[in-house]
Amino acid sequence: EPEVTQTPSHQVTQMGQEVILRCVPISNHLYFYWYRQILGQKVEFLVSFYNNEISEKSEIFDDQFSVERPDGSNFTLKIRSTKLEDSAMYFCASSEKRQALNEKLFFGSGTQLSVL
Amino acid sequence: GNSVTQMEGPVTLSEEAFLTINCTYTATGYPSLFWYVQYPGEGLQLLLKATKADDKGSNKGFEATYRKETTSFHLEKGSVQVSDSAVYFCALSERGGGADGLTFGKGTHLIIQP
Repeated sequence: EPEVTQTPSHQVTQMGQEVILRCVPISNHLYFYWYRQILGQKVEFLVSFYNNEISEKSEIFDDQFSVERPDGSNFTLKIRSTKLEDSAMYFCASSEKRQALNEKLFFGSGTQLSVL
Repeated sequence: GNSVTQMEGPVTLSEEAFLTINCTYTATGYPSLFWYVQYPGEGLQLLLKATKADDKGSNKGFEATYRKETTSFHLEKGSVQVSDSAVYFCALSERGGGADGLTFGKGTHLIIQP
């Protein structure tokens, strides 16, 4: 079965530094998402992306965050100036159709971000 | 707002035991309900879903019934295997083209011992 690939699996950074988390969605998918899970808490929706623009974002996704599809295969999440509370597991997901129509999401295995 | 509450883990069972993982939800509208599973080292995978009241989702021996009257979507399996050891996430989404984001619970870590 096709997979969503995320790199790196672990990322350690200093507070205030910029990080870029990378994802390769499934090739024929059109909708892309980022979620995160802080240790011991719920998996939280960050943002959805379609047709080279953000479709929807949550309150968490403030000006420190940005997403980009720089080429035909990669989908990135950038955190401009990391804070301690950004430490979490970040999951990328993709789908053929819009999730709001009960479409199945395919998730990557996550990037564990640790901000020191 | 929407929210999902799952039973706390870890849940430890012996092989062939009966499994129930409780999930209740709060939603402003009429949501669709999902169970996702995450096996060690892998991403979340859709296990089953139900889109309207009294629907039963089923897959790989797992079942869950959409109970509107009790706002629940409990996951059950009659006889678990060691290979079912994973983290299970209950989730909901607004129906009818609403918000893109799934609302997840915290996840329940299931450990099956031989």
